[in-house]
Amino acid sequence: GQQVMQIPQYQHVQEGEDFTTYCNSSTTLSNIQWYKQRPGGHPVFLIQLVKSGEVKKQKRLTFQFGEAKKNSSLHITATQTTDVGTYFCADYQAGTALIFGKGTTLSVSS
Amino acid sequence: EAGVTQFPSHSVIEKGQTVTLRCDPISGHDNLYWYRRVMGKEIKFLLHFVKESKQDESGMPNNRFLAERTGGTYSTLKVQPAELEDSGVYFCASSQGNTIYFGEGSWLTVV
Repeated sequence: GQQVMQIPQYQHVQEGEDFTTYCNSSTTLSNIQWYKQRPGGHPVFLIQLVKSGEVKKQKRLTFQFGEAKKNSSLHITATQTTDVGTYFCADYQAGTALIFGKGTTLSVSS
Repeated sequence: EAGVTQFPSHSVIEKGQTVTLRCDPISGHDNLYWYRRVMGKEIKFLLHFVKESKQDESGMPNNRFLAERTGGTYSTLKVQPAELEDSGVYFCASSQGNTIYFGEGSWLTVV
């Protein structure tokens, strides 16, 4: 079945440094959704990307969808301790289940 | 508006016992999903209801797992008999459009 790969699995940064997580698939992704799960919490929807080459920003977070719709990235500028958690990408097609990547767990030291 | 609620939040049971997890989706959401995350691994799809019908149950690991959604409202996921490898967090999610809302999860430990 389809697999969504995500790297790195873990990332530790100093507060103020940037962070990027990458998501890719061997097959064309329908739509990409990004979720954040705080430690001990549940996945919370961040954003959905639909179009090839799409770029969306949410404050310090920048989301990109590759031109071939086979990869996506989430970049956080100047990380803060509140950014800690696991970031998941997921392939989404309306009416079907999400296919999640394994997630990237971010830790931030002050 | 209430979010997706799950019960119990935590459960510790012995191998061979039965556990039933409950999920109340957001009111009016036809789509209800069950997912599971085993420690350190990805969130894996279990099954998808549209109203009371099972749209896709391809992710159910084996016949020890039984999910129901009678009346198209709340759903239950029963594990019987539980095995050690069933430990993990079981998330329920619901949607009516493209945004999927997750519950806080039911953390299951089988000892």
